Amino acid sequence: AQSVTQPDIHITVSEGASLELRCNYSYGATPYLFWYVQSPGQGLQLLLKYFSGDTLVQGIKGFEAEFKRSQSSFNLRKPSVHWSDAAEYFCAVGALFPGNQFYFGTGTSLTVIP
Amino acid sequence: EPEVTQTPSHQVTQMGQEVILRCVPISNHLYFYWYRQILGQKVEFLVSFYNNEISEKSEIFDDQFSVERPDGSNFTLKIRSTKLEDSAMYFCASSEHPSGGANSPLHFGNGTRLTVT
Repeated sequence: AQSVTQPDIHITVSEGASLELRCNYSYGATPYLFWYVQSPGQGLQLLLKYFSGDTLVQGIKGFEAEFKRSQSSFNLRKPSVHWSDAAEYFCAVGALFPGNQFYFGTGTSLTVIP
Repeated sequence: EPEVTQTPSHQVTQMGQEVILRCVPISNHLYFYWYRQILGQKVEFLVSFYNNEISEKSEIFDDQFSVERPDGSNFTLKIRSTKLEDSAMYFCASSEHPSGGANSPLHFGNGTRLTVT
């Protein structure tokens, strides 16, 4: 069955430090992978997506993610975190089979210390 | 940039009442979805909708729920006889192609926070 795991429920980093949020997926075919960010009281904003090709994808707000098929991972990274990056981050897998839907991870809450 | 809009942003209702959550998807999108997020929990799939019919639904989406596209722009979620456990943030989303299809992420609205008292 399809699933997405985000092992870290909560991460705290200092402003200016680097960030890596982990995501592992389970899917029988080539996955379509996404990262969304949810600021407090807001909806889900797409940060970046991977469909095929270059396994390192660039997104908005200085984020990037790397697809590693051998590890079934799609970790999100940012070299220098800003206070405004504090939010909830969700990894998702898009699946056509068995049904047309996204599978979300449980999310990682990011706190940024000044 | 086109957006998915949801109204109201916050809905309070008494247990047992019916609520209708409204969404206006992006105009050229053909696939529509409802998700919900109970406070502190993951985002859960409810239903997907295409060509005026449900294409997929989860176990959560039982007879209490229904969806409709009453006109060319709105996409609604109706919850009948609401229960306390229906309290959650409900997100509408749309996509140009089926989710997971080529270059077709879901675009989400800002959500409707439903509080059942």
